[in-house]
Amino acid sequence: EVQLVQSGPEVKKPGESLKISCKGSGYSFTSYWIAWVRQMPGKGLEWMGIIYPGVSDTRYSPSFQGQVTISADKSVTTAYLQWRSLKASDSAIYYCARWVGGTSSGSDYWGQGTLVTVSS
Amino acid sequence: DAVMTQSPLFLPVTPGEPASISCRSTESLLHRNGNNYLDWYLQKPGQSPQLLIYLGSNRASGVPDRFSGSGSGTDFTLKISRVEAEDVGVYYCMEALETPYSFGQGTKLEIK
Repeated sequence: EVQLVQSGPEVKKPGESLKISCKGSGYSFTSYWIAWVRQMPGKGLEWMGIIYPGVSDTRYSPSFQGQVTISADKSVTTAYLQWRSLKASDSAIYYCARWVGGTSSGSDYWGQGTLVTVSS
Repeated sequence: DAVMTQSPLFLPVTPGEPASISCRSTESLLHRNGNNYLDWYLQKPGQSPQLLIYLGSNRASGVPDRFSGSGSGTDFTLKISRVEAEDVGVYYCMEALETPYSFGQGTKLEIK
């Protein structure tokens, strides 16, 4: 069974660093892209970026380039989303999703979401 | 980068009636391989999004056949032939031709 299990909720202060995770199982982790999607409170979905764990090919939305770092460790089949210095505006739910890619398309499996709260 | 625009943003529907959502892209999503890189997702209340339609018109695994997708190039439509109570939530189109990908604003479907 394909699963993406994300790390638990986080409460942080502005300026702190954070790394959240997304562990894939039940499929070949290095053969599919992993996407990260942000959902701010009461708002829509925003595509942040994507990584191909097999070669760590990473692409970012211009809106998030330089603000976050997407990485993956294929030895533990886990993708990561990282901030160096959080802002209150980073408070949101962050989803990871397996991206089919290639000649096909679509994120067919999603994590449960990680709620990040940044508040002083 | 393509910008995705959905309409309507709010869609009240009577159970058993059809529903239709439009999604327009500022750039063509038709790849030279003949596929349209446009997907549809549904986010039910309190849940993660789920894939409904990929490549414009292909239903994802387990999606009821009352859902259908159509369109090509810059104009796409998601249709629900007969809305059921379990279809409530926010529907998003997403372009996936070239990174950065982007979502539409979302269409909230509610039952009258």
